[in-house]
Amino acid sequence: DTAVSQTPKYLVTQMGNDKSIKCEQNLGHDTMYWYKQDSKKFLKIMFSYNNKELIINETVPNRFSPKSPDKAHLNLHINSLELGDSAVYFCASSGLAGTYNEQFFGPGTRLTVL
Amino acid sequence: EDKVVQSPLSLVVHEGDTVTLNCSYEVTNFRSLLWYKQEKKAPTFLFMLTSSGIEKKSGRLSSILDKKELFSILNITATQTGDSAVYLCAVYEGSQGNLIFGKGTKLSVKP
Repeated sequence: DTAVSQTPKYLVTQMGNDKSIKCEQNLGHDTMYWYKQDSKKFLKIMFSYNNKELIINETVPNRFSPKSPDKAHLNLHINSLELGDSAVYFCASSGLAGTYNEQFFGPGTRLTVL
Repeated sequence: EDKVVQSPLSLVVHEGDTVTLNCSYEVTNFRSLLWYKQEKKAPTFLFMLTSSGIEKKSGRLSSILDKKELFSILNITATQTGDSAVYLCAVYEGSQGNLIFGKGTKLSVKP
C-alpha cells in the first residue's frame, strides 16, 4: 500500500486557471506538509497541518490555499495560476505533533503552467 | 536566517570509489538532521541524527553529526551506479518545526 499518495502526477494548465492537487496518507500521522521543488531541485516548505490546524504558513502567495477535510488528507488549491508556479509539488507526512522525525514524501505532482 | 549548505553541489565518481558529502547548518533551536536520497521521484529517508559523534550506518552508507561544529557528513563506500541520485540534507529547527533543506549534492557514479 502506498503510504503517501498524490493526484494527479502531472498537471498541465493555462495561466489564470484554478487547480487542485490531492494528498492522502495512510500512516496515521498527525502532521502533513506541502513542499515546492523548483527547477534547481530546491525543496521549500509551503504549509503544514497538524490535526486539521494550520501550524506553519510560509510566505507563499494567498493564491495557494491548503485544505484538510480530515487528518489523512491535505489538498492544495491554487487560484489564478502563474508561470512561476511551474514546479514539482510534494506532499509529506510525519508522526506525532511536536516531534522531529522523518517525513514520508508522496511521489510528487509536476505542475506546468503555459 | 536559517540555512543549510551542502557541498559539493555535484560529484562524478567511478564505481568502487568512496565519497563524502558535506552538510553545514545554521538554524535556530536545532532539533535533528536528516539525510534523504532523491532519484527521479520522491525523496526517500536515509538517516536521522540528533546526537554528536554517534555514527548511523546502513550497508555502505554511514553518517555522523558534529553539533559543536554544526555539520554532518554522509559517506558512501564502494559506490555503485545505483547510488547515482541527489542527496539532500535537512535540518529541523525548533521555533516553528520547519524542516529546512539544503540544495542537495548530485552524485553521478560511472561504470
